[in-house]
Amino acid sequence: DAGVIQSPRHEVTEMGQEVTLRCKPISGHDYLFWYRQTMMRGLELLIYFNNNVPIDDSGMPEDRFSAKMPNASFSTLKIQPSEPRDSAVYFCASSFDRGSSYNEQFFGPGTRLTVL
Amino acid sequence: AQSVTQLDSQVPVFEEAPVELRCNYSSSVSVYLFWYVQYPNQGLQLLLKYLSGSTLVKGINGFEAEFNKSQTSFHLRKPSVHISDTAEYFCAVSGANTGGFKTIFGAGTRLFVKA
Repeated sequence: DAGVIQSPRHEVTEMGQEVTLRCKPISGHDYLFWYRQTMMRGLELLIYFNNNVPIDDSGMPEDRFSAKMPNASFSTLKIQPSEPRDSAVYFCASSFDRGSSYNEQFFGPGTRLTVL
Repeated sequence: AQSVTQLDSQVPVFEEAPVELRCNYSSSVSVYLFWYVQYPNQGLQLLLKYLSGSTLVKGINGFEAEFNKSQTSFHLRKPSVHISDTAEYFCAVSGANTGGFKTIFGAGTRLFVKA
């Protein structure tokens, strides 16, 4: 398996522009997670899905952020409009439920977003 | 709510010296414990995990961790580090007390291995 795939790996955009980050989870995994990592705040969970349904989006910072999972093999995280404080590395991770809340996650390589 | 505390934000150590990265968790129920490693400009990858059974868990790259239920700790150790072990290490926990199907991550410990 190729692992979790994220695109693009790097994104540089100007303030006010729309940004779309993409993720393909590992085949057969039924959970997908979006994280944001910054020096100041560390690793933050933004949202996670189970069987394509959003379960917990309490970590999404504000309405400018939205995430979708139209099918089991694809998810997007969109920021509109983007702001300089959104600059961070965004990770996607996937896992599958083996019972008893055992949650070993597999991370993608991340997308480094820079908003100028 | 579940929480994970990594007691050291940075640990500098000389090559071939032993190292211990400390982790404490809070839980009154059974948990699963993990250590993840993040090399520069990469995603996190699993180093080792504790599910049940033996309290001493061995992982990749010569790392091991010991689960101590009475002290709610899961410290990571390596007897002799290499320059290539320079990375950030995250302790994490999942289980019935993490608020849904979540993994709770610690703040990370940055390990610097010096020649």
